[in-house]
Amino acid sequence: AQKVTQAQTEISVVEKEDVTLDCVYETRDTTYYLFWYKQPPSGELVFLIRRNSFDEQNEISGRYSWNFQKSTSSFNFTITASQVVDSAVYFCARAVQGAQKLVFGQGTRLTINP
Amino acid sequence: DTGVSQDPRHKITKRGQNVTFRCDPISEHNRLYWYRQTLGQGPEFLTYFQNEAQLEKSRLLSDRFSAERPKGSFSTLEIQRTEQGDSAMYLCASSSSRDRVQPQHFGDGTRLSIL
Repeated sequence: AQKVTQAQTEISVVEKEDVTLDCVYETRDTTYYLFWYKQPPSGELVFLIRRNSFDEQNEISGRYSWNFQKSTSSFNFTITASQVVDSAVYFCARAVQGAQKLVFGQGTRLTINP
Repeated sequence: DTGVSQDPRHKITKRGQNVTFRCDPISEHNRLYWYRQTLGQGPEFLTYFQNEAQLEKSRLLSDRFSAERPKGSFSTLEIQRTEQGDSAMYLCASSSSRDRVQPQHFGDGTRLSIL
C-alpha cells in the first residue's frame, strides 16, 4: 500500500512557539494530490489545504504555511506563533488522479499550552 | 451553507444487532464517501458513490456492511450482526466532481459503541 507517514504522534509546545508537523508520502503516480485536515476535540475533520503534484510552490495562509518537496516526498505543515485554539489532531492525506479515496496518515496530536 | 450532516451522532447497541446510519451531503456535491476511524488512527476509506452509483468498495467492507445512495442524495450505511470490532467513528464526506480530485468535506461522524 502507498502509505502516508506522520512520524510525530504527539507534539506539545507553549503558546506563541512555531511548530512543524511532518508528513512523508509514498506514491508511484505522477499525478497525485496531498491534503491536510484538522480534527479538533469536537471531532469534525476540517479541510485546510490541497496541493497537486505539479505545484511545488510553498503556500502561506495567515499563520499556516506548507512546504511541499517532491524530492523528499514530504509535505510539511508549519504553524507560526501557535495559539491554544490550534490544539487538535492534524492529518495528512493523499489521493491519486482517477481514484477518489483519501489515504490518511495516523495523525499528529498537537497541544498548545498557555 | 449547510455542511455534511450525519445521524445519529452516537449509537450504542448490543453485539449481534443491526444498525443503520444516515448521511446527508452538501447539496451541490455529487460524490459521497464513507470512512471509519478507530481511536488514535486516521480515517480509513470504506466506500464511495458518484451520484447513485457505488464506484469503489474497500476490502474493509465485509459482507455485513452495505451502503446505498438510492436517489443520489442522502446515503445509508448498514452494519448487520454487529461485532465488537465494529466500534468506531463512522465518517461521511462529500465533494463535487468538477474535475480532478476535489477536497472532501466531512460531517461530525456517528460514533458506534458495541456492548
